[in-house]
Amino acid sequence: AQTVTQSQPEMSVQEAETVTLSCTYDTSESDYYLFWYKQPPSRQMILVIRQEAYKQQNATENRFSVNFQKAAKSFSLKISDSQLGDAAMYFCAYRSENFNKFYFGSGTKLNVKP
Amino acid sequence: GAVVSQHPSRVICKSGTSVKIECRSLDFQATTMFWYRQFPKKSLMLMATSNEGSKATYEQGVEKDKFLINHASLTLSTLTVTSAHPEDSSFYICSAKTGGFSYNSPLHFGNGTRLTVT
Repeated sequence: AQTVTQSQPEMSVQEAETVTLSCTYDTSESDYYLFWYKQPPSRQMILVIRQEAYKQQNATENRFSVNFQKAAKSFSLKISDSQLGDAAMYFCAYRSENFNKFYFGSGTKLNVKP
Repeated sequence: GAVVSQHPSRVICKSGTSVKIECRSLDFQATTMFWYRQFPKKSLMLMATSNEGSKATYEQGVEKDKFLINHASLTLSTLTVTSAHPEDSSFYICSAKTGGFSYNSPLHFGNGTRLTVT
């Protein structure tokens, strides 16, 4: 099984500031897909952003962007202009091209201070 | 689009009884659904992959006789926790993947089921 590591159990950011959440993974595959999911207190998992490993360009979705470093097996999430509604658990996820499974990291709890 | 409905959202049952959790894809067909278990303040642990019309594939360490999965149609998968015990109390989440062979298609999640076994 692939392993996904999120080394920051909890982080805080001031409203309107920028924060970066870290994620690393271990794989021997060359093609795969990476995702960031958000889980607010409602427990509903919400897709934030996705990245294909074969694409060199970093994905961007409005205030959310990633820094994908394939050689380093790193996939960090940057949230710009943080809003109170961004407060949630954030999970990094890996999907193998060959196997129909998603593997999740342990999550990072993001607090946004007004 | 891509809505996954999970029911019930919360259930309390007595030890020894069985509980069925339903997961439906409302506006798309899901040949594959996934069942996850989430412990408090922990990540999602993949329990099994549910394939329409065939037997589910269980992850190592998951008791297939305790967690029965049925995927009888393209829009419905059920997880039955049989002879539930307090240690089965947890948050169970189902998910489905859209996009067929589109490998970058994400998972869409149900709202989860909080199971409490007394």
